[in-house]
Amino acid sequence: EVQLVQSGAEVKKPGESLNISCKASGYSFTTYWIGWVRQMPGKGLEWMGIIYPGDSDTRYSPSFQGQVTISADKSISTAYLQWSSLKASDTAMYYCARHNSRYYSSGRYFNPDYWGQGTLVTVSS
Amino acid sequence: SYELTQPPSVSVSPGQTARITCSGDALPKKYAYWYQQKSGQAPVLVIYEDSKRPSGIPERLSGSSSGTMATLTISGAQVEDEADYYCYSTDSSGNHWVFGGGTKLTVL
Repeated sequence: EVQLVQSGAEVKKPGESLNISCKASGYSFTTYWIGWVRQMPGKGLEWMGIIYPGDSDTRYSPSFQGQVTISADKSISTAYLQWSSLKASDTAMYYCARHNSRYYSSGRYFNPDYWGQGTLVTVSS
Repeated sequence: SYELTQPPSVSVSPGQTARITCSGDALPKKYAYWYQQKSGQAPVLVIYEDSKRPSGIPERLSGSSSGTMATLTISGAQVEDEADYYCYSTDSSGNHWVFGGGTKLTVL
């Protein structure tokens, strides 16, 4: 059974750094992309980016490029989302999601298929 | 930046058919995916590659795509189908993946 278990809720101050995690089990961690999705309070889903743990190839949404860092430690089947300096606007629920990847004549497709339970990040002075 | 456009809300009575649309310029050439998110829960994939249903998803949920619009259809909607529904796809380059703004389905 595929499981993604995320780290617990965080309360931080603006300017602080933060690393949240997502531990995967039940599948081969190095052969699937894994990524992060943001959901601000009362708002919709926003795709942030993905990483391929096999070779650390990373893709970011332009909206999040330079704002966060996505990484993975394949030795412990864990993906991370990192901020170096949090802002109040980073307050949101963050979901990790395994991504299925397929090639078709129309291009390459990445889609979330299994999701973690979410990590609530609150940034407030 | 690429956008997928959904209606903010759709309302139907139990047993009626609900249709949720998703509009995007690249949809004639790119697959659409649909996610269901119930209150306080993580999203769940309900339709992939325009019209395929993952195992465990009820047959009353179906997907289609024509031109620049993808549609999620819930035939004989039930109270338990109340949720937010999001479409997901990529732009013509295949490099930028986005969710639509979401549609709140009310069944009452």
